[in-house]
Amino acid sequence: DVKVTQSSRYLVKRTGEKVFLECVQDMDHENMFWYRQDPGLGLRLIYFSYDVKMKEKGDIPEGYSVSREKKERFSLILESASTNQTSMYLCASSPGTQTYEQYFGPGTRLTVT
Amino acid sequence: EDKVVQSPLSLVVHEGDTVTLNCSYEVTNFRSLLWYKQEKKAPTFLFMLTSSGIEKKSGRLSSILDKKELFSILNITATQTGDSAVYLCAVFSGANSKLTFGKGITLSVRP
Repeated sequence: DVKVTQSSRYLVKRTGEKVFLECVQDMDHENMFWYRQDPGLGLRLIYFSYDVKMKEKGDIPEGYSVSREKKERFSLILESASTNQTSMYLCASSPGTQTYEQYFGPGTRLTVT
Repeated sequence: EDKVVQSPLSLVVHEGDTVTLNCSYEVTNFRSLLWYKQEKKAPTFLFMLTSSGIEKKSGRLSSILDKKELFSILNITATQTGDSAVYLCAVFSGANSKLTFGKGITLSVRP
């Protein structure tokens, strides 16, 4: 079974802090994605990566950056957390560019106070 | 801009009822449509549809795609309380290699 893990299930941070959310997949997938999920807005793509050291902006990249130094690991960074970044963050991975199914991690619920 | 619209946004049914969930889309260079089920955790994959008119079936769940009218439906027959969840529809675009998700449909099945 594909396994996608995220470093924390729940996280509480203060405004202005730097926040790291980590995602690891164990199936040698090429592609990895970061989404945020908010009530009434659905899942929105923040950043994605099709290869090591490669990144592409999604639909809402402002206030975020990412890092992919190893194939299995994709990190989301909030340089200076703000209250409007309080959300559920979901990581996903998929095998290749012609495979559309994405496998999701359990999510991290981030609260910024 | 790619768009996926799901309807209704929420519904409440009783066990044993049959439900139909709708998903319409506007996507550049359509490649596939996916359905996910999300309980209080990560979305889990249900179906992927790429061809019109071919029904995908898994137990009490089935789904079909109409590429001419740009929509898909997900049917659940003989609903059970365990079917209570948010059902997400997503469409993959070959133009930007991204999945665009709808806002989801919240289904509540009452005993």
